Amino acid sequence: EAGVTQFPSHSVIEKGQTVTLRCDPISGHDNLYWYRRVMGKEIKFLLHFVKESKQDESGMPNNRFLAERTGGTYSTLKVQPAELEDSGVYFCASSQDLYRQKGYTFGSGTRLTVV
Amino acid sequence: DAKTTQPPSMDCAEGRAANLPCNHSTISGNEYVYWYRQIHSQGPQYIIHGLKNNETNEMASLIITEDRKSSTLILPHATLRDTAVYYCIVSPPYTNAGKSTFGDGTTLTVKP
Repeated sequence: EAGVTQFPSHSVIEKGQTVTLRCDPISGHDNLYWYRRVMGKEIKFLLHFVKESKQDESGMPNNRFLAERTGGTYSTLKVQPAELEDSGVYFCASSQDLYRQKGYTFGSGTRLTVV
Repeated sequence: DAKTTQPPSMDCAEGRAANLPCNHSTISGNEYVYWYRQIHSQGPQYIIHGLKNNETNEMASLIITEDRKSSTLILPHATLRDTAVYYCIVSPPYTNAGKSTFGDGTTLTVKP
């Protein structure tokens, strides 16, 4: 089966611009998660979708971040306007079962650099 | 979620067993122990998980102490491709499981 795909793999934008990251989960995986690692820090949870609904968005840092998952398939994470501290690697993961008995499958991430 | 403590780095000779420890002394009764690894520039990869019994799969074995306050991930015959950062996470298996933070992990270097 195809894995979790993230696009783009790298993005360099100027402060104040908008960037949209995309994640295509494994087909049939209802659960989709976004994480990020900012400079030198831990990988932290951002939010969790179950199908098209936001199950938990408590990790979203502020209202400059907007995540959507229309139709319950792929998801987008928009940062608007981007700030320097948003630089980091953004990971997406998906799982078939809510109870994560089989672990999550992660994408390779999008490296975002805000200059 | 319970916090975990792992050594920052370990070395292992190729072909030998790699034993990666993790302390999780504040683990709750319903929390599982998960292990992931991250090979440079890739996303984290699920390895194995367990509740209280020892577990084994094609990748590794997981040994959990009887009091569940610590665990050890065993890679029985480490290869150069096993060089990665290994993360130990404890989390309930239901809603909010994805909120776990990965921590700093252990950087395992497998040497020829």
